[in-house]
Amino acid sequence: LAKTTQPISMDSYEGQEVNITCSHNNIATNDYITWYQQFPSQGPRFIIQGYKTKVTNEVASLFIPADRKSSTLSLPRVSLSDTAVYYCLRNQGGKLIFGQGTELSVKP
Amino acid sequence: DTGVSQDPRHKITKRGQNVTFRCDPISEHNRLYWYRQTLGQGPEFLTYFQNEAQLEKSRLLSDRFSAERPKGSFSTLEIQRTEQGDSAMYLCASSASEGWETQYFGPGTRLLVL
Repeated sequence: LAKTTQPISMDSYEGQEVNITCSHNNIATNDYITWYQQFPSQGPRFIIQGYKTKVTNEVASLFIPADRKSSTLSLPRVSLSDTAVYYCLRNQGGKLIFGQGTELSVKP
Repeated sequence: DTGVSQDPRHKITKRGQNVTFRCDPISEHNRLYWYRQTLGQGPEFLTYFQNEAQLEKSRLLSDRFSAERPKGSFSTLEIQRTEQGDSAMYLCASSASEGWETQYFGPGTRLLVL
């Protein structure tokens, strides 16, 4: 089964760009790469999804190389409110499979 | 529409009691999902419905757990004979069939079994 691997935690400072990389060596040909964000005591929230190259929305950018074995979520100029857990997900037959996620801590 | 809602938000019960949680999805979404999340872990898939049909149930879901979505709108998750290991956050999400990877989560029901 395809598995995603990402760092357990990261620290950053306000105003910095944060890049979180996820590896998914065995991703299926038709699968999209999806990222969710979760704040404490809230349900996860969809951030961004892509298949290859680069996708950008108002929240983040997602970079996916041609081999699709990894992806990088980029958060521009983070603020304290971006402190959250970020999940790189694999999709399996109609359901989302969450890993442990990356706990991002943004400091002043 | 105000998003996915769940009731209750918190539930404390004694071991051996039955509990039932309710989820109201976004009205135009035909898919509804239940997840369970314990401290420090990502959400774990339990089951999902398309309209009123339960399409998949995790092998992790013991026969003490049952979920229904009788009219294809709201759903209930019942846990019978609760155990301390059932203590967790129970999350509900909904989506359209097209673009199901974009799921909208509710605030969750936090269950504590004493």
